[in-house]
Amino acid sequence: DTEVTQTPKHLVMGMTNKKSLKCEQHMGHRAMYWYKQKAKKPPELMFVYSYEKLSINESVPSRFSPECPNSSLLNLHLHALQPEDSALYLCASSQDPGTGASPEQFFGPGTRLTVL
Amino acid sequence: GESVGLHLPTLSVQEGDNSIINCAYSNSASDYFIWYKQESGKGPQFIIDIRSNMDKRQGQRVTVLLNKTVKHLSLQIAATQPGDSAVYFCAERTGGYQKVTFGTGTKLQVIP
Repeated sequence: DTEVTQTPKHLVMGMTNKKSLKCEQHMGHRAMYWYKQKAKKPPELMFVYSYEKLSINESVPSRFSPECPNSSLLNLHLHALQPEDSALYLCASSQDPGTGASPEQFFGPGTRLTVL
Repeated sequence: GESVGLHLPTLSVQEGDNSIINCAYSNSASDYFIWYKQESGKGPQFIIDIRSNMDKRQGQRVTVLLNKTVKHLSLQIAATQPGDSAVYFCAERTGGYQKVTFGTGTKLQVIP
């Protein structure tokens, strides 16, 4: 299984709502990532988890809260978002990054988020 | 490369011709450079990577060239097919093997 799955595919939420994005992989990868992608722009790194520990937070506002319950799952909890947070949120996974292995990341299809 | 502007650079290529997509990178400390393909409605898909101590690597129908002197990366696609139509991103890995920074994409349009 070389697939990264993300749910939901689409999400519309108000600025006072609380919602969560979910990501799952069963490739035995020990690094998982959240990216934000706006239209016609490249993906921008938000968070990196390595061995279920948060290793990189790219100065993301606290209204985005990541969680890695186990090595296969990654969540992104959303609260009090702004309309400018509307974007495609991509999850990715890769092999153990600490060994200098190939940087190949496997991406999910993303969650298209609209904040009203 | 840095993301600038609201319009993706576009490369239009006749089916069967070769395509060359270029990218300028910024960080001399990057240890790997990577090319991703993103089709409409999908996440990026890995194409090929190259270590910083190499200058050329070939895959199936694709070749990546790295020129560290001018910080330039290119992706060559041989015999371009309609299925190659997508946005192509170069990326560089820094930050202790975990941080990957994407450059500005290039939209490849294949004309049948």
